[in-house]
Amino acid sequence: DGGITQSPKYLFRKEGQNVTLSCEQNLNHDAMYWYRQDPGQGLRLIYYSQIVNDFQKGDIAEGYSVSREKKESFPLTVTSAQKNPTAFYLCASSPRRVGANEKLFFGSGTQLSVL
Amino acid sequence: AQSVTQLDSHVSVSEGTPVLLRCNYSSSYSPSLFWYVQHPNKGLQLLLKYTSAATLVKGINGFEAEFKKSETSFHLTKPSAHMSDAAEYFCVVSEKGANSKLTFGKGITLSVRP
Repeated sequence: DGGITQSPKYLFRKEGQNVTLSCEQNLNHDAMYWYRQDPGQGLRLIYYSQIVNDFQKGDIAEGYSVSREKKESFPLTVTSAQKNPTAFYLCASSPRRVGANEKLFFGSGTQLSVL
Repeated sequence: AQSVTQLDSHVSVSEGTPVLLRCNYSSSYSPSLFWYVQHPNKGLQLLLKYTSAATLVKGINGFEAEFKKSETSFHLTKPSAHMSDAAEYFCVVSEKGANSKLTFGKGITLSVRP
Protein backbone atom coordinates (compact mmCIF):
# COMPACT_ATOMS: atom_id res chain seq x y z
CA ASP A 1 0.00 0.00 0.00
CA GLY A 2 1.23 3.46 -0.84
CA GLY A 3 0.92 6.09 1.81
CA ILE A 4 2.33 7.84 4.82
CA THR A 5 3.24 5.93 7.96
CA GLN A 6 3.57 7.64 11.31
CA SER A 7 4.91 5.91 14.39
CA PRO A 8 4.34 5.43 17.18
CA LYS A 9 0.59 5.96 17.43
CA TYR A 10 0.91 6.99 21.09
CA LEU A 11 3.98 8.47 22.77
CA PHE A 12 4.66 9.64 26.28
CA ARG A 13 7.34 12.15 27.22
CA LYS A 14 8.92 12.74 30.60
CA GLU A 15 9.94 16.20 31.75
CA GLY A 16 13.21 17.33 30.15
CA GLN A 17 13.20 14.53 27.60
CA ASN A 18 13.53 14.82 23.84
CA VAL A 19 11.31 12.52 21.79
CA THR A 20 11.27 11.79 18.06
CA LEU A 21 8.20 11.12 15.95
CA SER A 22 8.69 9.11 12.80
CA CYS A 23 7.16 9.86 9.39
CA GLU A 24 7.84 7.77 6.31
CA GLN A 25 6.23 8.02 2.86
CA ASN A 26 6.47 5.75 -0.17
CA LEU A 27 4.58 8.08 -2.51
CA ASN A 28 7.76 9.58 -3.99
CA HIS A 29 6.56 13.03 -2.92
CA ASP A 30 8.98 15.94 -2.81
CA ALA A 31 7.31 17.98 -0.07
CA MET A 32 6.64 16.90 3.50
CA TYR A 33 5.06 18.73 6.43
CA TRP A 34 4.50 18.50 10.17
CA TYR A 35 1.34 19.88 11.74
CA ARG A 36 0.25 20.14 15.34
CA GLN A 37 -3.44 19.72 16.17
CA ASP A 38 -4.96 20.93 19.44
CA PRO A 39 -8.67 20.51 20.22
CA GLY A 40 -10.72 23.33 18.72
CA GLN A 41 -7.70 25.01 17.10
CA GLY A 42 -7.35 23.37 13.72
CA LEU A 43 -3.92 22.51 12.36
CA ARG A 44 -0.82 24.64 12.76
CA LEU A 45 2.30 24.20 10.66
CA ILE A 46 5.49 23.34 12.55
CA TYR A 47 8.03 22.66 9.77
CA TYR A 48 7.99 21.79 6.09
CA SER A 49 10.49 20.50 3.58
CA GLN A 50 10.35 20.88 -0.18
CA ILE A 51 13.41 18.86 -1.03
CA VAL A 52 16.00 16.60 0.58
CA ASN A 53 18.43 18.37 2.93
CA ASP A 54 16.27 21.49 3.05
CA PHE A 55 13.50 22.52 5.46
CA GLN A 56 11.74 25.68 6.57
CA LYS A 57 10.14 26.84 9.80
CA GLY A 58 6.39 27.04 9.91
CA ASP A 59 4.25 29.11 12.25
CA ILE A 60 5.12 27.34 15.52
CA ALA A 61 8.64 25.93 15.11
CA GLU A 62 10.00 26.86 18.55
CA GLY A 63 10.85 23.79 20.61
CA TYR A 64 10.89 21.46 17.59
CA SER A 65 13.54 20.25 15.16
CA VAL A 66 13.47 18.22 11.95
CA SER A 67 15.78 16.61 9.42
CA ARG A 68 15.31 15.51 5.81
CA GLU A 69 18.24 13.26 4.97
CA LYS A 70 16.16 10.98 2.74
CA LYS A 71 13.28 11.81 0.45
CA GLU A 72 10.97 9.32 2.14
CA SER A 73 11.66 10.29 5.74
CA PHE A 74 10.94 13.47 7.74
CA PRO A 75 11.31 12.85 11.50
CA LEU A 76 10.20 15.44 14.04
CA THR A 77 11.97 15.87 17.39
CA VAL A 78 10.06 17.48 20.22
CA THR A 79 12.72 18.97 22.46
CA SER A 80 12.63 19.79 26.16
CA ALA A 81 12.30 23.45 25.13
CA GLN A 82 8.72 22.77 24.01
CA LYS A 83 6.86 23.46 27.26
CA ASN A 84 3.43 22.36 26.11
CA PRO A 85 4.00 19.35 23.85
CA THR A 86 0.75 17.48 24.49
CA ALA A 87 -1.04 17.38 21.13
CA PHE A 88 -1.90 15.26 18.12
CA TYR A 89 0.88 15.47 15.51
CA LEU A 90 0.16 14.95 11.84
CA CYS A 91 2.65 14.38 9.07
CA ALA A 92 1.68 15.11 5.47
CA SER A 93 3.19 15.11 2.00
CA SER A 94 2.45 16.53 -1.43
CA PRO A 95 3.80 15.59 -4.85
CA ARG A 96 5.67 18.79 -5.56
CA ARG A 97 6.88 21.79 -3.68
CA VAL A 98 4.42 23.79 -1.64
CA GLY A 99 1.89 25.46 -3.89
CA ALA A 100 -1.69 26.70 -3.89
CA ASN A 101 -3.25 23.75 -5.65
CA GLU A 102 -1.46 20.93 -3.96
CA LYS A 103 -3.48 18.20 -2.28
CA LEU A 104 -1.97 17.01 0.98
CA PHE A 105 -1.79 13.34 1.90
CA PHE A 106 -1.87 12.74 5.65
CA GLY A 107 -0.60 10.06 7.98
CA SER A 108 -2.76 8.73 10.82
CA GLY A 109 -1.08 10.83 13.46
CA THR A 110 0.82 10.46 16.74
CA GLN A 111 -0.73 11.44 20.06
CA LEU A 112 1.98 12.84 22.33
CA SER A 113 1.32 13.19 26.04
CA VAL A 114 3.47 14.39 28.93
CA LEU A 115 3.90 12.13 31.95
CA ALA B 1 -2.76 37.77 5.00
CA GLN B 2 -5.17 34.91 4.52
CA SER B 3 -7.55 33.52 7.10
CA VAL B 4 -10.45 31.11 7.46
CA THR B 5 -13.48 31.39 9.72
CA GLN B 6 -15.63 28.44 10.61
CA LEU B 7 -18.17 30.04 12.94
CA ASP B 8 -19.87 26.81 13.96
CA SER B 9 -17.76 24.50 16.08
CA HIS B 10 -20.42 21.78 16.21
CA VAL B 11 -23.31 20.89 13.88
CA SER B 12 -25.83 18.14 14.57
CA VAL B 13 -28.24 16.73 11.97
CA SER B 14 -30.54 13.74 11.67
CA GLU B 15 -29.70 10.95 9.28
CA GLY B 16 -31.23 11.62 5.87
CA THR B 17 -31.46 15.41 6.32
CA PRO B 18 -29.29 18.00 4.53
CA VAL B 19 -25.88 19.05 5.81
CA LEU B 20 -24.57 22.63 5.69
CA LEU B 21 -21.11 23.43 7.05
CA ARG B 22 -20.17 27.09 6.73
CA CYS B 23 -16.82 28.57 5.80
CA ASN B 24 -15.80 32.17 5.18
CA TYR B 25 -12.34 33.19 4.06
CA SER B 26 -10.18 36.25 3.74
CA SER B 27 -7.52 36.53 1.07
CA SER B 28 -5.64 39.32 -0.65
CA TYR B 29 -5.50 37.40 -3.91
CA SER B 30 -7.56 34.79 -5.72
CA PRO B 31 -7.48 31.86 -3.35
CA SER B 32 -7.57 28.13 -3.65
CA LEU B 33 -9.99 26.56 -1.17
CA PHE B 34 -10.24 23.05 0.20
CA TRP B 35 -12.41 20.95 2.49
CA TYR B 36 -10.80 18.11 4.42
CA VAL B 37 -12.50 15.51 6.62
CA GLN B 38 -10.99 13.83 9.68
CA HIS B 39 -12.46 10.77 11.33
CA PRO B 40 -11.54 10.14 15.00
CA ASN B 41 -7.83 9.52 15.60
CA LYS B 42 -7.12 9.54 11.88
CA GLY B 43 -5.36 11.79 9.42
CA LEU B 44 -7.19 14.20 7.12
CA GLN B 45 -8.63 13.26 3.75
CA LEU B 46 -9.38 15.71 0.94
CA LEU B 47 -13.10 16.04 0.18
CA LEU B 48 -12.88 18.63 -2.59
CA LYS B 49 -10.97 21.68 -3.80
CA TYR B 50 -11.64 24.90 -5.68
CA THR B 51 -8.90 26.33 -7.89
CA SER B 52 -10.64 29.02 -9.99
CA ALA B 53 -12.39 26.74 -12.43
CA ALA B 54 -16.11 25.99 -11.90
CA THR B 55 -17.53 27.70 -8.83
CA LEU B 56 -19.60 24.65 -7.87
CA VAL B 57 -17.23 21.89 -6.89
CA LYS B 58 -18.26 18.27 -6.43
CA GLY B 59 -16.30 16.06 -4.09
CA ILE B 60 -16.29 12.57 -2.72
CA ASN B 61 -19.09 10.92 -0.73
CA GLY B 62 -21.78 13.18 -2.20
CA PHE B 63 -20.39 16.46 -0.82
CA GLU B 64 -20.20 19.66 -2.81
CA ALA B 65 -19.24 23.27 -2.17
CA GLU B 66 -19.90 26.55 -3.92
CA PHE B 67 -17.35 29.35 -4.17
CA LYS B 68 -19.04 32.75 -3.78
CA LYS B 69 -16.56 35.56 -4.18
CA SER B 70 -19.06 38.29 -3.32
CA GLU B 71 -19.77 36.63 0.01
CA THR B 72 -16.20 35.32 0.53
CA SER B 73 -17.76 31.97 1.33
CA PHE B 74 -17.13 28.32 0.49
CA HIS B 75 -19.86 26.40 2.30
CA LEU B 76 -19.93 22.59 2.23
CA THR B 77 -23.24 20.82 1.60
CA LYS B 78 -24.67 17.34 1.22
CA PRO B 79 -28.32 16.59 0.39
CA SER B 80 -28.72 13.67 2.78
CA ALA B 81 -26.55 12.89 5.81
CA HIS B 82 -25.33 9.38 6.52
CA MET B 83 -24.13 8.06 9.87
CA SER B 84 -20.65 7.60 8.39
CA ASP B 85 -20.44 11.37 7.75
CA ALA B 86 -19.92 11.99 11.47
CA ALA B 87 -16.43 13.49 11.63
CA GLU B 88 -14.54 16.77 11.87
CA TYR B 89 -14.44 19.00 8.80
CA PHE B 90 -11.79 21.60 8.04
CA CYS B 91 -11.99 24.45 5.55
CA VAL B 92 -8.57 25.45 4.21
CA VAL B 93 -7.40 28.46 2.17
CA SER B 94 -4.25 29.00 0.17
CA GLU B 95 -3.18 32.00 -1.85
CA LYS B 96 -1.60 31.27 -5.20
CA GLY B 97 2.16 31.49 -5.30
CA ALA B 98 5.26 29.36 -5.45
CA ASN B 99 5.65 29.20 -1.68
CA SER B 100 2.11 29.72 -0.49
CA LYS B 101 1.08 27.74 2.56
CA LEU B 102 -2.24 26.41 3.73
CA THR B 103 -4.25 28.07 6.49
CA PHE B 104 -6.67 25.76 8.29
CA GLY B 105 -9.92 26.72 9.95
CA LYS B 106 -10.59 25.52 13.48
CA GLY B 107 -12.84 22.73 12.29
CA ILE B 108 -16.50 21.75 12.61
CA THR B 109 -17.58 18.58 14.37
CA LEU B 110 -20.53 17.02 12.55
CA SER B 111 -22.76 14.70 14.54
CA VAL B 112 -25.42 12.58 12.81
CA ARG B 113 -28.40 11.38 14.84
CA PRO B 114 -30.12 8.12 13.87
